Amino acid sequence: QQQVKQSPQSLIVQKGGISIINCAYENTAFDYFPWYQQFPGKGPALLIAIRPDVSEKKEGRFTISFNKSAKQFSLHIMDSQPGDSATYFCAASKNSGGSNYKLTFGKGTLLTVNP
Amino acid sequence: SAVISQKPSRDICQRGTSLTIQCQVDSQVTMMFWYRQQPGQSLTLIATANQGSEATYESGFVIDKFPISRPNLTFSTLTVSNMSPEDSSIYLCSGLRGNTIYFGEGSWLTVV
Repeated sequence: QQQVKQSPQSLIVQKGGISIINCAYENTAFDYFPWYQQFPGKGPALLIAIRPDVSEKKEGRFTISFNKSAKQFSLHIMDSQPGDSATYFCAASKNSGGSNYKLTFGKGTLLTVNP
Repeated sequence: SAVISQKPSRDICQRGTSLTIQCQVDSQVTMMFWYRQQPGQSLTLIATANQGSEATYESGFVIDKFPISRPNLTFSTLTVSNMSPEDSSIYLCSGLRGNTIYFGEGSWLTVV
C-alpha cells in the first residue's frame, strides 16, 4: 500500500515557467509534509516543509499548497531555472504525540528545466 | 541544518561479502535512521537506530541482513550482509534535528 502518491513522474518546463508537483496521502495521522530535492550523486536535501495548520507556505520561489480535506499537497516552483533540474520527493510523517518521525516518501518527480 | 557524514561514499562489493557503512552526526541530532534508495527509486526506511539497544526494523528488513549499531548519540553503523546484486543501492544515513530529518550524501554500493 503506497501511502504517499506523487505525480507526475517526470516534468519538463521552460526556463521562467512554473513547475507543479502534486502529492496525495492516505494516513490522516500524518502531520508533517516536507519536500526534498535530490541532485544526481547527492543525498536528498530538505527544500521546504509544511504542517496541516496552514494552507500555504512560501520560501523564495518555492511554495507548498496544502489541502487537508482532500489530503493533498503540492509544490510550486515559480520562475523555474535550469539549476532547479533535479528529482523532487514529497514525504509525510507523524511528528507529534508519541511520534516516530518516520518519513514515507512519494516515488519522486524528475524535473528538467530547459534553458 | 545538521551535519551528517557517511563513509564509504562508494564501493563495489563482491557477491556474498558484507560491508559496513559508518555514519557520524553532529551533537544536535537526536534520532538516527537508515534508508535505502534503489536505483532510480524512492527512499525506503530500513530501521531506526537506537542508542545502546537493538534497532527497530521496518517490515521487510531483518537484523540478520542489516545489522545496525548505535553505540553513542553521534555514531551509527549499518552492515549489509551476504550481499547479492539486489542489494545494489544507495544507503542513506539520516538524523533528526529539531523536527527536521536531514540526510547524508549516501553510500553508493554496487554488488557484482
